[in-house]
Amino acid sequence: GAVVSQHPSWVICKSGTSVKIECRSLDFQATTMFWYRQFPKQSLMLMATSNEGSKATYEQGVEKDKFLINHASLTLSTLTVTSAHPEDSSFYICSARNVELAVNEQFFGPGTRLTVL
Amino acid sequence: GQQVMQIPQYQHVQEGEDFTTYCNSSTTLSNIQWYKQRPGGHPVFLIQLVKSGEVKKQKRLTFQFGEAKKNSSLHITATQTTDVGTYFCAGPTSGTYKYIFGTGTRLKVLA
Repeated sequence: GAVVSQHPSWVICKSGTSVKIECRSLDFQATTMFWYRQFPKQSLMLMATSNEGSKATYEQGVEKDKFLINHASLTLSTLTVTSAHPEDSSFYICSARNVELAVNEQFFGPGTRLTVL
Repeated sequence: GQQVMQIPQYQHVQEGEDFTTYCNSSTTLSNIQWYKQRPGGHPVFLIQLVKSGEVKKQKRLTFQFGEAKKNSSLHITATQTTDVGTYFCAGPTSGTYKYIFGTGTRLKVLA
């Protein structure tokens, strides 16, 4: 199988605080994970590619100092939203590739709903 | 930059009717993937198409990749209430494993 978990599933925080979201591949190793955000009734917007053991690569328009990504092991990537503001409220989803599979299928975590007050 | 558009944005059908969503990329794609996201859920991989003109079927779902590898379609025959959700196509950025998701088509099936 290929299961990806995310924690927490939802979080409410005050404006100005930082929030860390964890993404874990439970039964496979993921050298690459992806972070997306999704606003209600909209598509998934790729934020960054998380690479194990190296710096993440960010998509154009995504502030790397605001969205800190750490991929310290083959099964864990974290996204920290620093100094969160209400406009950061969104659904954050991670995905991972299982490089042992022939198809470039992405396995998505269940997502984290962030609400910034 | 690369864009992937889907039409229609929304579709309401009576149960038993057919449904089709169309996906168009601004660039030629090496492959295209389709995902389904149920309301409140996360995207789940359906299929990947690689060859020009390829057609694949999964029970009531038929996927097609255009000859120019810039467009694709998903057709559902005789929709059921379990088909409710948003269907996304996704195409890779050239030379990478990064996928750009289409705008999505939200399907509602009326019983």
